[in-house]
Amino acid sequence: GESVGLHLPTLSVQEGDNSIINCAYSNSASDYFIWYKQESGKGPQFIIDIRSNMDKRQGQRVTVLLNKTVKHLSLQIAATQPGDSAVYFCAETPSSGSARQLTFGSGTQLTVLP
Amino acid sequence: DVKVTQSSRYLVKRTGEKVFLECVQDMDHENMFWYRQDPGLGLRLIYFSYDVKMKEKGDIPEGYSVSREKKERFSLILESASTNQTSMYLCASSLISEETQYFGPGTRLLVL
Repeated sequence: GESVGLHLPTLSVQEGDNSIINCAYSNSASDYFIWYKQESGKGPQFIIDIRSNMDKRQGQRVTVLLNKTVKHLSLQIAATQPGDSAVYFCAETPSSGSARQLTFGSGTQLTVLP
Repeated sequence: DVKVTQSSRYLVKRTGEKVFLECVQDMDHENMFWYRQDPGLGLRLIYFSYDVKMKEKGDIPEGYSVSREKKERFSLILESASTNQTSMYLCASSLISEETQYFGPGTRLLVL
């Protein structure tokens, strides 16, 4: 079946450095991708999304890059702060299907070191 | 801002009990979803609903049922709780035409 996965389950970065979290997907029909942040004990929060007709999208301190050729998605966080410590999920959905279901990766735990 | 609320943050139940988890959203979203989240397995879809009284099975519906009597409310029911249903349960909602799902804070259920 289709899957969405992450390259690393954990990532540690120094405060102030940039973070890069990677995600691989296998469904070539995927046309929408989204990153969520989940802090301990809380529900996932939307961070940024991107459609398949784009290869880059920027938000506040975050950038998502999409490489459709190799089915790879990454989330870059600039000047990582202690408040960025959380689990980050990618999710994707194909261009059709009822209720636009999302398929989620298992998550990367980001730890920001002082 | 979208607000999705869940009836309980923590719940402890005994094996065989009937369990109700309730989710309410205030943004008039058509779609609502129930997931469970387990370490190393990510979010797995249990059931979803795209309209009042409509429901569809997700990837792991066994042992669960749902109810959507009002647009803003989506309930997850464990008819007879079992220990393997100990998990974090997350509710989400979205507009019919959009992919972005907004999540509630989650209910951590422990079945003894």
